[in-house]
Amino acid sequence: GQNIDQPTEMTATEGAIVQINCTYQTSGFNGLFWYQQHAGEAPTFLSYNVLDGLEEKGRFSSFLSRSKGYSYLLLKELQMKDSASYLCAPQRDSGNTPLVFGKGTRLSVIA
Amino acid sequence: DSGVTQTPKHLITATGQRVTLRCSPRSGDLSVYWYQQSLDQGLQFLIQYYNGEERAKGNILERFSAQQFPDLHSELNLSSLELGDSALYFCASSSAWDNHEQYFGPGTRLTVT
Repeated sequence: GQNIDQPTEMTATEGAIVQINCTYQTSGFNGLFWYQQHAGEAPTFLSYNVLDGLEEKGRFSSFLSRSKGYSYLLLKELQMKDSASYLCAPQRDSGNTPLVFGKGTRLSVIA
Repeated sequence: DSGVTQTPKHLITATGQRVTLRCSPRSGDLSVYWYQQSLDQGLQFLIQYYNGEERAKGNILERFSAQQFPDLHSELNLSSLELGDSALYFCASSSAWDNHEQYFGPGTRLTVT
């Protein structure tokens, strides 16, 4: 089985920094994906972490701690267009089993 | 634009009917995944095909079926439709079988009345 826990909603101010946490419990673990999904649109790939630590990609960074079953997505210099849902998806067993997505965190960026 | 196409974009039909959703993966991608997303359930994996063969099955109802054709496009068939089947249906593709970075199509919004 697999349990994924993310906050349901978050609000942050334009220009600020926000951290979206994801904790997971899974039998077997290979890596963790983050996807962004604007309302009514398709999810788009943001990051994939396999090793512990922080990976930076422009304004977005993703952190993974395999031993703690914990990841976070860090968004810097928030823009209004960052208002979206952010989905955490741990990957089990070297990809032999389907991805299970968390219900996502709906981020609202306000002026 | 992810390179994954889905048709139709919107579909409105009545309970008890049958519909077919179509997906063309990105050029060169062999894996196709189908997901259902309803307001209260999040993104739910339905089924995966790799190079024409069923690879993995999720919470797909018996009323639903899918296939992947030799040209790698895929179809998802939904029959005996119920009101609860109203949702966004996404198709995604990836180059390999192992769930690495998936590219999602724009989705088909199905409304069952």
